[in-house]
Amino acid sequence: TQLLEQSPQFLSIQEGENLTVYCNSSSVFSSLQWYRQEPGEGPVLLVTVVTGGEVKKLKRLTFQFGDARKDSSLHITAAQPGDTGLYLCAGAYSSASKIIFGSGTRLSIRP
Amino acid sequence: NAGVTQTPKFQVLKTGQSMTLQCAQDMNHEYMSWYRQDPGMGLRLIHYSVGAGITDQGEVPNGYNVSRSTTEDFPLRLLSAAPSQTSVYFCASRPGLYSGRLYEQYFGPGTRLTVT
Repeated sequence: TQLLEQSPQFLSIQEGENLTVYCNSSSVFSSLQWYRQEPGEGPVLLVTVVTGGEVKKLKRLTFQFGDARKDSSLHITAAQPGDTGLYLCAGAYSSASKIIFGSGTRLSIRP
Repeated sequence: NAGVTQTPKFQVLKTGQSMTLQCAQDMNHEYMSWYRQDPGMGLRLIHYSVGAGITDQGEVPNGYNVSRSTTEDFPLRLLSAAPSQTSVYFCASRPGLYSGRLYEQYFGPGTRLTVT
């Protein structure tokens, strides 16, 4: 059972459209991270959020941590084919000793 | 810096065989973890370590052993391979509590294991 649920599992949209991916849990996390993974490679960290309500921007990507630190969202503006990949959220508990991952969202951007 | 290295890249085992997946990092990171990723899914935590000599179980530890005798190395042992252990295995490391970068996790390239 995944303690971190991501939705949607799959998303295929046209280039130029906007999209939002969600990461939800019933647990409180001390931080949430978002990663992007290409086929055949390990995940690469995109961002870490640690404060409830925090918003971080990375070019066309906007990340938000929920006020209660149980959920997070990733919003992509004007998606491009280069955004295609598997997006993973991950959470660290208060002890910070272990980080667990969500189920992933596979994103495909059509030219 | 080589970062996080894993060997081998590919491995085929027969049911019941044992083997060790190697992981090493040259960034002096305190925290290291092993994850497995099944097709089309996220990563599941197998075991993790917060420093040399200290290890603990993750979400799916059964059938695996770890040890951490040095800061650099964190090998994962499969005791008696089963087809259910067919997966891609990723090793990861991150700095310690007082680094200011506690959650910056770096991953190796993975080991693709098939158990027949």
